[in-house]
Amino acid sequence: KQEVTQIPAALSVPEGENLVLNCSFTDSAIYNLQWFRQDPGKGLTSLLLIQSSQREQTSGRLNASLDKSSGRSTLYIAASQPGDSATYLCAVGGSGYSTLTFGKGTMLLVSP
Amino acid sequence: ETGVTQSPTHLIKTRGQQVTLRCSSQSGHNTVSWYQQALGQGPQFIFQYYREEENGRGNFPPRFSGLQFPNYSSELNVNALELDDSALYLCASSPPLSYNEQFFGPGTRLTVL
Repeated sequence: KQEVTQIPAALSVPEGENLVLNCSFTDSAIYNLQWFRQDPGKGLTSLLLIQSSQREQTSGRLNASLDKSSGRSTLYIAASQPGDSATYLCAVGGSGYSTLTFGKGTMLLVSP
Repeated sequence: ETGVTQSPTHLIKTRGQQVTLRCSSQSGHNTVSWYQQALGQGPQFIFQYYREEENGRGNFPPRFSGLQFPNYSSELNVNALELDDSALYLCASSPPLSYNEQFFGPGTRLTVL
């Protein structure tokens, strides 16, 4: 059974700082990995999708890497802004009937 | 292009009642998945529908059931509500041949008293 762990559970940084969020998974036989953003009480916004054959994806100030063999992914946020404050969720897509297994998320607070 | 929509936004029910939540998939998407997200937790997979058939199910009891309609919209039904069913229910749709790329709706917040 796939298990996804996200570290840290919460993170507070001053504006402008670069930061890294970590995600680990127990079964390396994945189809893809997605990073999502969730604002309080809201749905999920997809940030980056990495296919199993890829090593990283970039979108603006965000960069996500994937190391399947070690079961790890990182989300790098450059020059953080208060608007980046949200919960970031990592989700792994299996090779079966296409469900996503989520971690519990990292709650990020960027202070001005 | 309209994204995934869900209704209602919020719902309050009492223990033992039944509830139906609705989801309209994004245009062109034929697969719908439902997730339950308890407070402070990541979403948990309930089930998935493809071409009006259940295509996979997570660890949820039979009182959680669903439907998918010919236009690919979907319903989640929960019978005999329990207090622990209080959660945000998320619907996600996927385009053909890209099943693990899921686009989420805003969710329905269910409170069971």
